[in-house]
Amino acid sequence: AQKITQTQPGMFVQEKEAVTLDCTYDTSDPSYGLFWYKQPSSGEMIFLIYQGSYDQQNATEGRYSLNFQKARKSANLVISASQLGDSAMYFCAMRGYNAGNNRKLIWGLGTSLAVNP
Amino acid sequence: DVKVTQSSRYLVKRTGEKVFLECVQDMDHENMFWYRQDPGLGLRLIYFSYDVKMKEKGDIPEGYSVSREKKERFSLILESASTNQTSMYLCASTGSGNTIYFGEGSWLTVV
Repeated sequence: AQKITQTQPGMFVQEKEAVTLDCTYDTSDPSYGLFWYKQPSSGEMIFLIYQGSYDQQNATEGRYSLNFQKARKSANLVISASQLGDSAMYFCAMRGYNAGNNRKLIWGLGTSLAVNP
Repeated sequence: DVKVTQSSRYLVKRTGEKVFLECVQDMDHENMFWYRQDPGLGLRLIYFSYDVKMKEKGDIPEGYSVSREKKERFSLILESASTNQTSMYLCASTGSGNTIYFGEGSWLTVV
């Protein structure tokens, strides 16, 4: 069965420091994609970063990078130089790419990040 | 810019009312989704649609139905709203690319 686990319900980080949000996954699909989304208190889901299972390099988008360790089935999000505006819920999600399972996203329960000034 | 628009941001309905939540996307995406989000439960898939007039049940379809008469519009219907359907509802869409785009969310309170 496909599953996403985010073990940290809440995290604190000091402004300007880096923080790592954990995500582990389980899937039997040979090809899959991993996503991170940010959800501020206003409610909208903001796409941050994507990693394909066959991508050779770890994904990066500005201050966001994804520490992808395929053998360990982990896809941790690293936020460098935290800003107050980074305070939000962060969700890890996975999408399988086999023929019968390529549309649904599997979601973790999220990590609430608070950035302290 | 890709846009997914949910018709109502905040709604208050009475128990037993029929409720329509509308979602429109402007990127010609094939796939559209309705989720509900509750504290501690994350996002749970209600229904999704992969083409006009096509739909599939998600993880929690009970008490809900959907309609996709046009490619850009995916409606979520609560035939007879109940208090346990008080929640935040999120619509999303995706095409052949990897990114899934979300609307701003609809906060529904059933009293």
